[in-house]
Parts: sequence; structure tokens; C-alpha cells
Amino acid sequence: QLVVTQSPSASASLGASVKLTCSRSGGHNSYAIVWHQQLPEKGPRYLMRLNSDGSHSKGDGIPGRFSGSRSGTEGYLTISNLQSGDEGDYYCQTWDAGILVFGSGTKVTVL
Amino acid sequence: EVQLLESGGGLVQPGGSLRLSCAASGFTFMNYAMNWVRQAPGEGLEWVSIISGDGATTFHANSVQGRFTISRDNSQNTLYLQMNSLSVEDTAVYYCAKAPGGGDWALEHWGQGTLVTVSS
Repeated sequence: QLVVTQSPSASASLGASVKLTCSRSGGHNSYAIVWHQQLPEKGPRYLMRLNSDGSHSKGDGIPGRFSGSRSGTEGYLTISNLQSGDEGDYYCQTWDAGILVFGSGTKVTVL
Repeated sequence: EVQLLESGGGLVQPGGSLRLSCAASGFTFMNYAMNWVRQAPGEGLEWVSIISGDGATTFHANSVQGRFTISRDNSQNTLYLQMNSLSVEDTAVYYCAKAPGGGDWALEHWGQGTLVTVSS
């Protein structure tokens, strides 16, 4: 059974960096881990995908301050030079045969 | 530019039915898998259903299996979600989202969502 785990919250000062972690367990590890951003009162926005071979790609218009990496069953999202407009919820997403699963989301707070 | 525009949400009584639509533009609709994802008030994202580009293959979450049906009309570039036997737990904003398909289920574009409220 596929399970996706995220820490519920993360915070950092304005201009600092924050690193979010997404862990998948169960199923095949060959599928990508995908990050989405949801700002307050907005719909989700695709940020990037982290492939199992270590490659990755970002969505259109995603600033260079957002970067990602993958190590085995874990995917990471780093937001550098944190801005007040980055405050919101960040969800990771992955899938396995016949099922797509979201993590419970990490709320990012800018101090 | 990819655009996904949901419609059809509204207020419905428990036990009732509703059909959501998602009008797609800016890409070759038939070449991509499409999804429905929902978000209950104050909660996280929950995947609902996926349909392949040709419409031949569908999967549904256990929570909606047997009550919801995903379908598409590639001649109209439109995705649908038929929702039957609705309960208050189905109250949520429903989003459609595009994925590459062919076994790749990364949700790479999202619509703005439509609100479904199930209440008596």
C-alpha cells in the first residue's frame, strides 16, 4: 500500500531557505515525486517533478528559488531566499498501479 | 497556454446527483490523461479519479468507487465527473488536472476548481 508522508509545518526567516521532505513507502519506487504549491485561497499550482533516476523538471514560470532533489524514496523541495508570498501549503504527490496519492501537506510560514 | 475550466458545482441534497465538467484548451486533449482531485474545507488534496487519453481506462479512489464516474468527450475537449449518491462528506472544491498519461500521472496543470456543497 502506497503511503506518502510530509511534515505538517516548516518555517524560516524572510530571505532564508527552507527544505521540505516527502517520503513514499510501499509500491514501486520508479515513479516520480511531484511538488505542488497552494497559496491561501488559491488553487494548487504545479512546481516540479523529481524522477527516480535523479532527473527533474519544473513547471512553466517557476522561479529559480525553487529547487528539488531526490534520494531513493524521498523527495525534497528547497525554497531559497524565502519571500512572504511563498507562505502557503506545499503538497507532494506520487502514484503506483491504479492509485494516486497526495501527502498531507506542509504549511510553510515565513517568520 | 493550457487552460482548464471547471463548471457544474453547486448545492445538492444528500443522496442527490451532480455532473461536473472541465473544458480544456491549449493542448491536444486526447493525448493526455485527465484527473479529478477534491479538497474538503480546511483539508488537504484528495485524488478522486483518472481517465486515459482515449477514455478506455479509468481508476477511482475507494471513497468514490461505485458512486462517481469519470468520462471524457475528446471531440468537445471536455472532461466530466458524474457524481451520484452524494453525501455531506463529498462537500469540497473539485479540481480537474492534466497528466501526461501512459503511466505517468504527474499532475502538471490544474484548473481553478468548482465548489460542490452537499447539504439538506
